[in-house]
Amino acid sequence: DAGITQSPRYKITETGRQVTLMCHQTWSHSYMFWYRQDLGHGLRLIYYSAAADITDKGEVPDGYVVSRSKTENFPLTLESATRSQTSVYFCASTSGGLIDNEQFFGPGTRLTVL
Amino acid sequence: AQSVTQLDSQVPVFEEAPVELRCNYSSSVSVYLFWYVQYPNQGLQLLLKYLSGSTLVKGINGFEAEFNKSQTSFHLRKPSVHISDTAEYFCAVVYNYGQNFVFGPGTRLSVLP
Repeated sequence: DAGITQSPRYKITETGRQVTLMCHQTWSHSYMFWYRQDLGHGLRLIYYSAAADITDKGEVPDGYVVSRSKTENFPLTLESATRSQTSVYFCASTSGGLIDNEQFFGPGTRLTVL
Repeated sequence: AQSVTQLDSQVPVFEEAPVELRCNYSSSVSVYLFWYVQYPNQGLQLLLKYLSGSTLVKGINGFEAEFNKSQTSFHLRKPSVHISDTAEYFCAVVYNYGQNFVFGPGTRLSVLP
């Protein structure tokens, strides 16, 4: 299916475990983004990538790791999950700069860290 | 610091009534302004955006927004809401040709029958 997908949609894990959230887009968009959504904060940028093998930190990168070996995939890893990382995570992509190109969002992954 | 404020966390309104959702942003040399809508259990969808030109911008689903530079505001309006407009609405800003959005905290619009 064309579009942007995230897996899993729901995940429950325990403190200290490693978790990887997957994001896949079929448009060959250059830019991809990871956000977390928390009540009262809207969406906050964790990491973004301008192209394969190019990544950069956003507003709240601590505790997260990203990689982008292929254009279409942008996994987000929590190396040692903490309760404060309980959130809804959204992946997004766009073909170019945000000003002229629409950013498309995935359906989200709801992560609970116990 | 760059920030986006949405003063109303929740807005209840009756069906067919008008609604205004407020957004204010911190002043900057250049800003590009967006409104997104999030329906339950879905990702965000672009409603409209202001890049330049006319300060009144029309978007999808009958929504419009007005850019007011002197008041650093970008309020979203709809003259007559429908039950299906029930959703969370986010204001977002790109500052100074940046590579990322700064999002407001969101406003939950509840349309009542």
